[in-house]
Amino acid sequence: DADVTQTPRNRITKTGKRIMLECSQTKGHDRMYWYRQDPGLGLRLIYYSFDVKDINKGEISDGYSVSRQAQAKFSLSLESAIPNQTALYFCATSEDTYNEQFFGPGTRLTVL
Amino acid sequence: EDQVTQSPEALRLQEGESSSLNCSYTVSGLRGLFWYRQDPGKGPEFLFTLYSAGEEKEKERLKATLTKKESFLHITAPKPEDSATYLCAVQASRAGNTPLVFGKGTRLSVIA
Repeated sequence: DADVTQTPRNRITKTGKRIMLECSQTKGHDRMYWYRQDPGLGLRLIYYSFDVKDINKGEISDGYSVSRQAQAKFSLSLESAIPNQTALYFCATSEDTYNEQFFGPGTRLTVL
Repeated sequence: EDQVTQSPEALRLQEGESSSLNCSYTVSGLRGLFWYRQDPGKGPEFLFTLYSAGEEKEKERLKATLTKKESFLHITAPKPEDSATYLCAVQASRAGNTPLVFGKGTRLSVIA
């Protein structure tokens, strides 16, 4: 079984809808991250969490919110989706702040 | 501001034709430089971490090297299965939270 899983893998939604992307990990890591990837822009950090009580904004947090329900679960929400949030979204984990990150398979989100 | 520039954007090689990918970076004190491989539709897969100038790491046909301003990913006698996008990321050694900053990647195609 994969160490980092994301659901759903693909989602098509309409402008204004609320969307939640979920991430679960079995690696036992405290650190979890949400990124988005756009063609030509690379990976950009949305939010990150160092433990259940610690949530931090990344480079592009506007329009997004997160919830760290447990050590193993980290959810990303789009409160009112807009077309320019169409992208690939990745969850990642790391054992420590300075260790390599392990990525999930990604969620392809399309906002019409 | 921490910055990572990868070149070339795309590289097409014949099978067996060795080459190098470049990652130039600007960071106020380097904590670590990371190389990842990403296959289409999948999450990035960790390859190497380099910490100090002069350090080298190898894995199969790949060798990563680091200087004070750039890193190279050398690919020796590549095979078609090496085709992927290769991502470079840096982490600064400043106090507090210092997330990874990613480059836009080099898309490598190896033709049989």
